[in-house]
Amino acid sequence: EVQLVESGGGLVQPGGSLRLSCAASGVTVNNNYMSWVRQAAGKGLEWVSVIYSSGTIYYADSVKGRFTISRDSFRNTLYLQMNSLRAEDTAVYYCAKVRVVSAGRYYFDWWGQGTLVTVSS
Amino acid sequence: DIQMTQSPSSLSASVGDRVTITCRASQSMSNYLNWYQQKPGKAPKVLISAASSLESGVPSRFSGSGSGTDFTLTIDSLQPEDFATYYCQQSYNIPWTFGQGTRVEI
Repeated sequence: EVQLVESGGGLVQPGGSLRLSCAASGVTVNNNYMSWVRQAAGKGLEWVSVIYSSGTIYYADSVKGRFTISRDSFRNTLYLQMNSLRAEDTAVYYCAKVRVVSAGRYYFDWWGQGTLVTVSS
Repeated sequence: DIQMTQSPSSLSASVGDRVTITCRASQSMSNYLNWYQQKPGKAPKVLISAASSLESGVPSRFSGSGSGTDFTLTIDSLQPEDFATYYCQQSYNIPWTFGQGTRVEI
């Protein structure tokens, strides 16, 4: 069974940085599409970033230029480096595996439990 | 970006009711539409992919339909464990976008 375990969340001041990790088991991060999705308290889901198995990367406009997604094949771990954090980045961040059915047909089939990031002074 | 609009935003229903949630896309996107269920404090769980394909292990009382811009999620005979928030999500274009959610309450 697939397990995704996020860590690295916490309280950070505006303008600060944080790196989230997502340790995977039962799935090889490098061979799959992996994504980050966030959810502010009481709000809906917002897709943040994806890294394809090919290494192609995409970001939501709201985080482009500030966040960097990456992966480590040795540790089988997905990362999200978050810089220049803002209050509006406060959310639970979920790591999710993307199931690829065919080109354009993707969905999030496995999710971690989430890690809370709070940006506040 | 493709905007996804769900309706209603919330609804009250009783056990045994039939519930329908609608998701409308701002542009045509074939059937590249997924549905998720989220319970408080938990990660979302996929119910339906490609508009109508039921995910393994999901009860058959859940069904999805639609194509183009208009999609529906139907729950036949609502069960106590179905009280949750439901989200649609498009994978037709990046950025992948979600609807704002529909909260199903007792």
